[in-house]
Amino acid sequence: QSVLTQPPSVSGAPGQRVTISCTGSRSNIGAGYDVHWYQQLPGTAPKLLIYGNTNRPSGVPDRFSGSKSGTSASLAITGLQAEDEADYYCSSYAGSYSWVFGGGTKLTVL
Amino acid sequence: QVQLQESGPGLVKPSQTLSLTCTVSGGSIISGGYYWSWIRQHPGKGLEWIGYIYYSGSTYYNPSLKSRVTISVDTSKNQFSLKLSSVTAADTAVYYCAREVLPASNLDYWGQGTLVTVSS
Repeated sequence: QSVLTQPPSVSGAPGQRVTISCTGSRSNIGAGYDVHWYQQLPGTAPKLLIYGNTNRPSGVPDRFSGSKSGTSASLAITGLQAEDEADYYCSSYAGSYSWVFGGGTKLTVL
Repeated sequence: QVQLQESGPGLVKPSQTLSLTCTVSGGSIISGGYYWSWIRQHPGKGLEWIGYIYYSGSTYYNPSLKSRVTISVDTSKNQFSLKLSSVTAADTAVYYCAREVLPASNLDYWGQGTLVTVSS
């Protein structure tokens, strides 16, 4: 059981908007620590998608956005495309120089 | 462009020590502002942070693995390494090395990953 809780799966049709939640606690997200999001396409290594709650690395489309409130964070994907089908992971600092990931969410584009 | 590449045996016997090396190219491991990390992913499962090292040698480990993990750095070769002792089948996973940016602490560059199977 992961420290950060994500829905196992979400789905949406092309062009739609989907959101993926990441729920933590007062020990991690709620303590004010940043949340980062990673996208893992099938058979590949994870790729940084969002850092510092809301920031996109260079090259990441603005269809991807992140937010954070209290003990939770969310990743939103608008204008859903077939190439967005992947696993998505959130992560956060958990204190004592340790890090935790969410269990991952599989996005299916219908 | 920074690149990371894992290397090491793909098969390890139970009770033995798993040893992997990550070679960094396109950037110096001694440039400040980064931790050098190991993460693993069990087959069909999520990501698990193992630990990280600063170029000075300071290390931080996942408490659940701390008793079996050692991460070291070889600045002359621009490499850092992972040793996991007393392995069991539960340590079978894809192992990734990655660069962690300070102070944001996001992982901005990842290796392609290497599958390590623990089996006799």
